[in-house]
Amino acid sequence: DGGITQSPKYLFRKEGQNVTLSCEQNLNHDAMYWYRQDPGQGLRLIYYSQIVNDFQKGDIAEGYSVSREKKESFPLTVTSAQKNPTAFYLCASSVVTSDHNEQFFGPGTRLTVL
Amino acid sequence: GQNIDQPTEMTATEGAIVQINCTYQTSGFNGLFWYQQHAGEAPTFLSYNVLDGLEEKGRFSSFLSRSKGYSYLLLKELQMKDSASYLCAVLDSNYQLIWGAGTKLIIKP
Repeated sequence: DGGITQSPKYLFRKEGQNVTLSCEQNLNHDAMYWYRQDPGQGLRLIYYSQIVNDFQKGDIAEGYSVSREKKESFPLTVTSAQKNPTAFYLCASSVVTSDHNEQFFGPGTRLTVL
Repeated sequence: GQNIDQPTEMTATEGAIVQINCTYQTSGFNGLFWYQQHAGEAPTFLSYNVLDGLEEKGRFSSFLSRSKGYSYLLLKELQMKDSASYLCAVLDSNYQLIWGAGTKLIIKP
């Protein structure tokens, strides 16, 4: 079955530690995205990538880093510089076309920093 | 700036009809999406509108008026499983999705 996987579903870290969230897709999509979702707020774009070895900052990139070494994988690192990292993180992918680029989402990772 | 407005929460009765509105002000417009998100889960695609009018898909319909910057999602014959958040998102001139905060729909028996 094609889809997007994120692991782990729940993640706990101590303050000051970096943590990497994984995202893998086998949909053969060129574009991948990372969003953060906080209670009562819409999805906010952290980073996105439309092609291997290239990525762009979204609206809230500070304190985060990504890599895109393979088409299938787009890991997100939450660094100690991120002031309020506790949130629900969603990865998505889509084809890169001029319209109707429906995004498919992974199940999400809930990160709690203690 | 870019802005998408949806009601925060709505309540409806099982078997009834509910309309969830979405108004937007964005830099350009290349389509509007509706997604459903159950608590703690990923959003799932419901509908896409790029032309004015109504798109019907089973119990769910979505309407768009580009001149008014307005869309609605209509849910008929409500079922308990429809209790979820409904997210409106607009594809802007850079083909980036701008998301509303979502409308939490509560279905009562």
